[in-house]
Amino acid sequence: QKEVEQNSGPLSVPEGAIASLNCTYSDRVSQSFFWYRQYSGKSPELIMSIYSNGDKEDGRFTAQLNKASQYVSLLIRDSQPSDSATYLCAVKNDMRFGAGTRLTVKP
Amino acid sequence: KAGVTQTPRYLIKTRGQQVTLSCSPISGHRSVSWYQQTPGQGLQFLFEYFSETQRNKGNFPGRFSGRQFSNSRSEMNVSTLELGDSALYLCASSFYRGLMNTEAFFGQGTRLTVV
Repeated sequence: QKEVEQNSGPLSVPEGAIASLNCTYSDRVSQSFFWYRQYSGKSPELIMSIYSNGDKEDGRFTAQLNKASQYVSLLIRDSQPSDSATYLCAVKNDMRFGAGTRLTVKP
Repeated sequence: KAGVTQTPRYLIKTRGQQVTLSCSPISGHRSVSWYQQTPGQGLQFLFEYFSETQRNKGNFPGRFSGRQFSNSRSEMNVSTLELGDSALYLCASSFYRGLMNTEAFFGQGTRLTVV
């Protein structure tokens, strides 16, 4: 079983819509969870971190964590074409990444 | 504050050769992780170093090795290069607080091509 799983996509949403990205993990003792965005040809950049159950909002981004169900999600509201990228979920303690979900926002 | 610096940015090597990649973390960060990224495999975890000790290791053959120096700079070595080692190699540094690492920040990567 993979330690961190994401839907590989691609996920396509129209501009202005909500994009929903999901991630499940296998290690129940995981305490730190991160979402990264990676544009083609670039290195990953941190979008959000979440450590506690519930929602965490930062601008158009909301991370949701449910430790009992072992999933973490990322919602992008009012999606923009500039949000088109691959989104990577990372579960730490040892920074294992999911395969990433490729998001395309169509104008 | 300077970011994570990886050198060199690009490398071309021949099969059978060995290569050493360098990573200088953000000042104050003592944890350095290395990843291999290929189009079909995503980000694959190689290993993590903390305070000069390897703390975690991924599922890569022994040809892949690393080390960390007292100033937290890290090097990764790949011996007997194979064509399949062509990839983007990324390092990420993070600060260790309490029992867990905080957010990790990535360098620009080293693009290795094996011919």
